[in-house]
Amino acid sequence: AQSVTQLGSHVSVSEGALVLLRCNYSSSVPPYLFWYVQYPNQGLQLLLKYTSAATLVKGINGFEAEFKKSETSFHLTKPSAHMSDAAEYFCAVRSDTGRRALTFGSGTRLQVQP
Amino acid sequence: SAVISQKPSRDICQRGTSLTIQCQVDSQVTMMFWYRQQPGQSLTLIATANQGSEATYESGFVIDKFPISRPNLTFSTLTVSNMSPEDSSIYLCSVRTGQITEAFFGQGTRLTVV
Repeated sequence: AQSVTQLGSHVSVSEGALVLLRCNYSSSVPPYLFWYVQYPNQGLQLLLKYTSAATLVKGINGFEAEFKKSETSFHLTKPSAHMSDAAEYFCAVRSDTGRRALTFGSGTRLQVQP
Repeated sequence: SAVISQKPSRDICQRGTSLTIQCQVDSQVTMMFWYRQQPGQSLTLIATANQGSEATYESGFVIDKFPISRPNLTFSTLTVSNMSPEDSSIYLCSVRTGQITEAFFGQGTRLTVV
């Protein structure tokens, strides 16, 4: 079985501040991990993915995430928040066997204050 | 990547009626999925649409309520039957193809049942 836990349903940061969105996963086999972003009234856009290559993954819009097997974590970070980063962020997991669809976390809404 | 077109983008329906949502992909894909996103919630997998055979439904979802068709490798439909206000959600089509690990999403169909 696989699952994802996102700590913090709402995160608020000031423009220019560090963004840290937390994600912990549970998977019985080495996972594929993803971060998606959803802007209001839109579908999901892939930010970045971990596929067992480099543990530090860089994505679009300046975001990056680090896979830490010992902590079963895949936290999303961005050094400096921009107003346009305000959105809903979802962490997702998929294993290469069995169920091939993604399992999503509950989501974190990021607010960026001017 | 894959470009996914979902129709309609939104609809307001009377309870007791049915709505069919279409998902068209610009290329052949191996996997197609349907998700539901209830207001303020994360994404929940409804079913995997299988080409040429019956869809595989997740726990809590049944074919009579959510019949799915997938006549070929680029098209699928999801019908929400005998709708009630509890069916008001965003319904998203998602695809995966070949060796690409991530999933791509349509813009979603925002359904309101009154």
